[in-house]
Amino acid sequence: ETGVTQTPRHLVMGMTNKKSLKCEQHLGHNAMYWYKQSAKKPLELMFVYSLEERVENNSVPSRFSPECPNSSHLFLHLHTLQPEDSALYLCASSQDSGEQFFGPGTRLTVL
Amino acid sequence: GESVGLHLPTLSVQEGDNSIINCAYSNSASDYFIWYKQESGKGPQFIIDIRSNMDKRQGQRVTVLLNKTVKHLSLQIAATQPGDSAVYFCAERPGTYKYIFGTGTRLKVLA
Repeated sequence: ETGVTQTPRHLVMGMTNKKSLKCEQHLGHNAMYWYKQSAKKPLELMFVYSLEERVENNSVPSRFSPECPNSSHLFLHLHTLQPEDSALYLCASSQDSGEQFFGPGTRLTVL
Repeated sequence: GESVGLHLPTLSVQEGDNSIINCAYSNSASDYFIWYKQESGKGPQFIIDIRSNMDKRQGQRVTVLLNKTVKHLSLQIAATQPGDSAVYFCAERPGTYKYIFGTGTRLKVLA
């Protein structure tokens, strides 16, 4: 158990749907991250929040919208996604900029 | 551009042998490096880290070597076991909250 949980674990959605991914960390960390993991590609950093403020945004399409209501929770809101957005979405947390602890990921399929 | 790459996509070793997984990084400003292990259906799991002011760090059955001259990182696993079968990838930290990950090497342990 990594102390970082993600729900749902699997999600299938159409291109016109709106869905949200949820991440919760139980480690008392002050930073949280969203990553995208596609087959045969390195992990891609999408968003970083530190003390509930966004500190990194790596040119992610606006159809992905993050939300960090408190230091323990992180959401990724999805709308009008494309099939190429199908991937494993990983959440991580860390204390400051140190070692990251990852959740199990949400396997997203966009039809 | 910035990149962290792994030279061998698949590494097969006999059980009991030592494994060496290599990684090249490109950003000389990186001050912190991490090796992760990812098993099927799970999120990445921290194995060992090293800071740029060190050349070597040892953990339980694992050793990380850092050669800043050639921007090279390696992970050595002693007495490889079936449970070590997974994808391993390295990450570098060129800036606060900014992590760049390698593509990964699949380690297969042969009985």
